[in-house]
Amino acid sequence: ETGVTQTPRHLVMGMTNKKSLKCEQHLGHNAMYWYKQSAKKPLELMFVYSLEERVENNSVPSRFSPECPNSSHLFLHLHTLQPEDSALYLCASSQDMYGTFYEQYFGPGTRLTVT
Amino acid sequence: AQRVTQPEKLLSVFKGAPVELKCNYSYSGSPELFWYVQYSRQRLQLLLRHISRESIKGFTADLNKGETSFHLKKPFAQEEDSAMYYCALSGLVGNTGKLIFGQGTTLQVKP
Repeated sequence: ETGVTQTPRHLVMGMTNKKSLKCEQHLGHNAMYWYKQSAKKPLELMFVYSLEERVENNSVPSRFSPECPNSSHLFLHLHTLQPEDSALYLCASSQDMYGTFYEQYFGPGTRLTVT
Repeated sequence: AQRVTQPEKLLSVFKGAPVELKCNYSYSGSPELFWYVQYSRQRLQLLLRHISRESIKGFTADLNKGETSFHLKKPFAQEEDSAMYYCALSGLVGNTGKLIFGQGTTLQVKP
């Protein structure tokens, strides 16, 4: 498959569960991102990885733990989430993150519901 | 602080009417501005970027540095333009390029 893929597409989890979201990009990009999209707020950047190194963490609670084992894969590990964490989680990638001119390619998202 | 503001949450027009989706930004340097679009049940994708000065699907956007605006315009709306539109600003924070999104505007084109 081409572009940016995300699995699962839908996830329902209890507050005590541990789950992981997976993102894979087939574009040969060097930078990957996690965003949170909820109904009441604009797209929120959560984490940025460049060449597998985390370069940005926007004050995200520790119950969200990212992992980037290589430049093509990005994970978001979830544990002891709260109902307010229910949202659409988007993964994106771009050729590079340094410099200001770059396009981000988005995955379809994982719709997360915390019960 | 860098910020992107889209004042309208919903814009509803009739087919054939002109469309203007407003976007204002706050940034101390020279920003790169983008419009992203999300059609129903599709992923978020780039529509156009100001540096290209291009027209995509009949849409254009002009960067007005004096008014710090980057409004998206189309002279004649089509039903297939109905979607969520996000204005985004790309800027440097230290050495890190960041993409900052506005709240988004839902465009509804009625037949």
